[in-house]
Amino acid sequence: DVKVTQSSRYLVKRTGEKVFLECVQDMDHENMFWYRQDPGLGLRLIYFSYDVKMKEKGDIPEGYSVSREKKERFSLILESASTNQTSMYLCASSIGTGHEKLFFGSGTQLSVL
Amino acid sequence: GNSVTQMEGPVTLSEEAFLTINCTYTATGYPSLFWYVQYPGEGLQLLLKATKADDKGSNKGFEATYRKETTSFHLEKGSVQVSDSAVYFCASRDSSYKLIFGSGTRLLVRP
Repeated sequence: DVKVTQSSRYLVKRTGEKVFLECVQDMDHENMFWYRQDPGLGLRLIYFSYDVKMKEKGDIPEGYSVSREKKERFSLILESASTNQTSMYLCASSIGTGHEKLFFGSGTQLSVL
Repeated sequence: GNSVTQMEGPVTLSEEAFLTINCTYTATGYPSLFWYVQYPGEGLQLLLKATKADDKGSNKGFEATYRKETTSFHLEKGSVQVSDSAVYFCASRDSSYKLIFGSGTRLLVRP
């Protein structure tokens, strides 16, 4: 089975801190995604990547950046964390160009105080 | 732009009851449609999908039919179990190949 691993299940940070969320997949998938999940809003796409060193903005990229130096790893960076970035962050990967079937990690619940 | 609208939860049912979770979409053209499920403490996983009008997706006793006339993709199951308690997300794939998710519907099945 495909495994998507997110480095932390829970994370607590302070306002203004630089935050790194790490995601690793073990099935050589080309595509990787970062979503945030908020009650009543569902999943919103932050950034995605089709290949190493490539990135594309999703629907809500403001306040975030990403890094993909290796195919299996996709990092989400909060340059200066703010309280409105408190959320559940979900990483996903998929193979091919249609990326219909996404494989998700179990999520990182980030609290910014 | 494209969007997906789901019925608000939570939906609370007794075991063996019939389940319907409504989902409608707006899109230009005919998107592919999906249901994802998120069990407690886990990430989302694909439950079923349909890629064209009148297709029926099915898996684990769940079914959904792509209805072009009503722009709907309602999720149904004839007899729910406690283990079906989860959050269910409807999604569509738009013309840019991004998945657009609904807000999710929490299902709670009581013994």
